[in-house]
Amino acid sequence: DVKVTQSSRYLVKRTGEKVFLECVQDMDHENMFWYRQDPGLGLRLIYFSYDVKMKEKGDIPEGYSVSREKKERFSLILESASTNQTSMYLCATQNRGNQPQHFGDGTRLSIL
Amino acid sequence: DQQVKQNSPSLSVQEGRISILNCDYTNSMFDYFLWYKKYPAEGPTFLISISSIKDKNEDGRFTVFLNKSAKHLSLHIVPSQPGDSAVYFCAAIDQAGTALIFGKGTTLSVSS
Repeated sequence: DVKVTQSSRYLVKRTGEKVFLECVQDMDHENMFWYRQDPGLGLRLIYFSYDVKMKEKGDIPEGYSVSREKKERFSLILESASTNQTSMYLCATQNRGNQPQHFGDGTRLSIL
Repeated sequence: DQQVKQNSPSLSVQEGRISILNCDYTNSMFDYFLWYKKYPAEGPTFLISISSIKDKNEDGRFTVFLNKSAKHLSLHIVPSQPGDSAVYFCAAIDQAGTALIFGKGTTLSVSS
């Protein structure tokens, strides 16, 4: 079974802080993704990565950056957290194209 | 503009009956579709998928039907069980074969 581990289930930060969300996978998958889920909006793609040190913008990259220094780890960075970034953040991995993505349990982030 | 639409935000069904969740898409280049199930405070779990070369795929109580001419797919759950109560997301894989494009989800409630 694919295991996708997100470092925190719940996180509370203050406006203006730099926030790091970590995701680690154990299946040597090439592709990794960060989504946010908000009520009534479904899942929206923030960034994704095809390979180490590669990154691509998704639909809503503004206010975020990512880092993939190792194949198994994909980090999402909120450069200066704002209250509208309060959300559920979900990391996913994919072995290759046209395959299902496997999700972690999510990080519920609150920005005060 | 939404490329994947789930027009019913919620659905209520009695235990033992059939649940039918619907999904429409606009991009005729999509060729792989997936359904995910999500419980609160957990990540989405892959349920079932279908390639555009098929019109039906079945896995136990779950069947997905694809009507390419109508750009419509549906998920049938028979018989419905209380444990099926969750949010169901329809998704399509983009033309690059990597990123998922999600609908906004349908909340299914199965009462006993």
